[in-house]
Amino acid sequence: GQNIDQPTEMTATEGAIVQINCTYQTSGFNGLFWYQQHAGEAPTFLSYNVLDGLEEKGRFSSFLSRSKGYSYLLLKELQMKDSASYLCAAGRDYKLSFGAGTTVTVRA
Amino acid sequence: DTAVSQTPKYLVTQMGNDKSIKCEQNLGHDTMYWYKQDSKKFLKIMFSYNNKELIINETVPNRFSPKSPDKAHLNLHINSLELGDSAVYFCASSQGGSLPYGYTFGSGTRLTVV
Repeated sequence: GQNIDQPTEMTATEGAIVQINCTYQTSGFNGLFWYQQHAGEAPTFLSYNVLDGLEEKGRFSSFLSRSKGYSYLLLKELQMKDSASYLCAAGRDYKLSFGAGTTVTVRA
Repeated sequence: DTAVSQTPKYLVTQMGNDKSIKCEQNLGHDTMYWYKQDSKKFLKIMFSYNNKELIINETVPNRFSPKSPDKAHLNLHINSLELGDSAVYFCASSQGGSLPYGYTFGSGTRLTVV
């Protein structure tokens, strides 16, 4: 099975940086994904890590440590439109197992 | 052109009824999924089909029956609906499993059982 934990909520100010942590316990893990989901919409793919280290994509970066079962998503230069739920997901073969999501609220 | 489309977007029905949700993808992917997102926003896999063959069937009541007529379509039929079935159901697709691009999700079907 795959247990995935992430904080329920985070609040930050426009222009700031927020780091969302995710820990997982999994068997046969072969990749860690981050998705963004705005209220009432479908999840959309943000990033993917399979090797240890940092992957940077514009304002968003994701880090993975396989030995520690740990990942984080870093959101820089926060904008109001970044207010959403961020889902950590562990991939194994044909299955993505999701955490419950972290709701990020960006305030002016 | 919508990549993964599911219909209907909203479905309100009475307990005991039977209903279907349809899903189609035009991405040429070979694998399709049904996920359920409950009121706590937790996304949980229900089924996965690869080239029309069932490959994942999580612990789902047998009132739920998926059907894949071809690799571009995966429909979900639910018999004898119960209040606890109220949720948002997401269809998704991928090429060759979850790696490396994850899934593309449909826009969801909000099912309300009254």
